[in-house]
Amino acid sequence: GQSLEQPSEVTAVEGAIVQINCTYQTSGFYGLSWYQQHDGGAPTFLSYNALDGLEETGRFSSFLSRSDSYGYLLLQELQMKDSASYFCAAYSGGYQKVTFGTGTKLQVIP
Amino acid sequence: DSGVTQTPKHLITATGQRVTLRCSPRSGDLSVYWYQQSLDQGLQFLIQYYNGEERAKGNILERFSAQQFPDLHSELNLSSLELGDSALYFCASSPYTENTEAFFGQGTRLTVV
Repeated sequence: GQSLEQPSEVTAVEGAIVQINCTYQTSGFYGLSWYQQHDGGAPTFLSYNALDGLEETGRFSSFLSRSDSYGYLLLQELQMKDSASYFCAAYSGGYQKVTFGTGTKLQVIP
Repeated sequence: DSGVTQTPKHLITATGQRVTLRCSPRSGDLSVYWYQQSLDQGLQFLIQYYNGEERAKGNILERFSAQQFPDLHSELNLSSLELGDSALYFCASSPYTENTEAFFGQGTRLTVV
């Protein structure tokens, strides 16, 4: 089957850098997306990696290593508003199948 | 605001009943996706429609069905409701057939009592 593992909770200090890891077991893997979800809100797309390497979008970067079945989301210059849950999502089967990780709850503290 | 509109925002209904959730995608988006988010199952992909046709199926129960209309809005029908169907149901849309970057609506919170 398909499965993704993420840490359940991470705490980091405002202004710091935090890395949220995602390991996956997905047959026919195509790529990995990251979403942010604030409590009571809708998931918001952050990034997508189809190829190995780092993708940078402002304060957020995402990395993928296909050989290690591993990716991470890097958040820099943390702000209080970054406190949210972060989900990785793996695509397979010609993008027809998407499996979400269980989510990592990030708490940013002053 | 993602541009995706879902109605209603909240729904409370009894077991055994049937409900319809509605979604209007962003202007110009041809794909609509439905997801279920619950505490025990997390976020799960249910089904995708692209330009009126079913494109992909995920973990959707046989009691659930969906359709996309010519104006591209979509409806998710949930029938013979059970307590375990209580969840947040999200609709998302994208311009493409791939859902690697989808824009989510604010969701419908369904409570089955």
